[in-house]
Amino acid sequence: DAGVIQSPRHEVTEMGQEVTLRCKPISGHNSLFWYRQTMMRGLELLIYFNNNVPIDDSGMPEDRFSAKMPNASFSTLKIQPSEPRDSAVYFCASRSDTQYFGPGTRLTVL
Amino acid sequence: GQSLEQPSEVTAVEGAIVQINCTYQTSGFYGLSWYQQHDGGAPTFLSYNALDGLEETGRFSSFLSRSDSYGYLLLQELQMKDSASYFCAVRDTGGFKTIFGAGTRLFVKA
Repeated sequence: DAGVIQSPRHEVTEMGQEVTLRCKPISGHNSLFWYRQTMMRGLELLIYFNNNVPIDDSGMPEDRFSAKMPNASFSTLKIQPSEPRDSAVYFCASRSDTQYFGPGTRLTVL
Repeated sequence: GQSLEQPSEVTAVEGAIVQINCTYQTSGFYGLSWYQQHDGGAPTFLSYNALDGLEETGRFSSFLSRSDSYGYLLLQELQMKDSASYFCAVRDTGGFKTIFGAGTRLFVKA
């Protein structure tokens, strides 16, 4: 099994630009999570889906953030417009019984 | 609210035993998990306790006391490669949402 796949692995962009992060969960996993990790705030849960349906998006910091899961094998997290304070590592994770994390996307907003 | 508390740092010597404690306060409880994260890497699953008692997996063991809202991770025969951050995490009553503690940074010295 390839595990959770995220792309891109690194993203550098300028303030105001749109950023789209992508995730392919492990086949057969029915829950998908997006986390953000920074030194200051630790590992924060942004949003999670169950059977492709968003269950709780209370962790999404503001309206600039949106996430979709159009099918069981793909999810996106979009930031529009991006700001320097969005710089962080963004992890996608999927779960059946055990939660597995993808390698993360390191986002730098200049 | 929901919160998990664990020490921020622990230092131990190679070959020793170290215990990392976690206390939690959540609106519901479905199970306690432990994750390891090396610098620059993604969190990886170590263990899961749904019921009281000790779970052993090689050099790592995890303990849970639901009545005390307390658990710990025990690492034996410490190796240099065990230097990493360790996170406890709680699944809520519905079993969907996983909340992570701030992490304990373990330094293993020769």
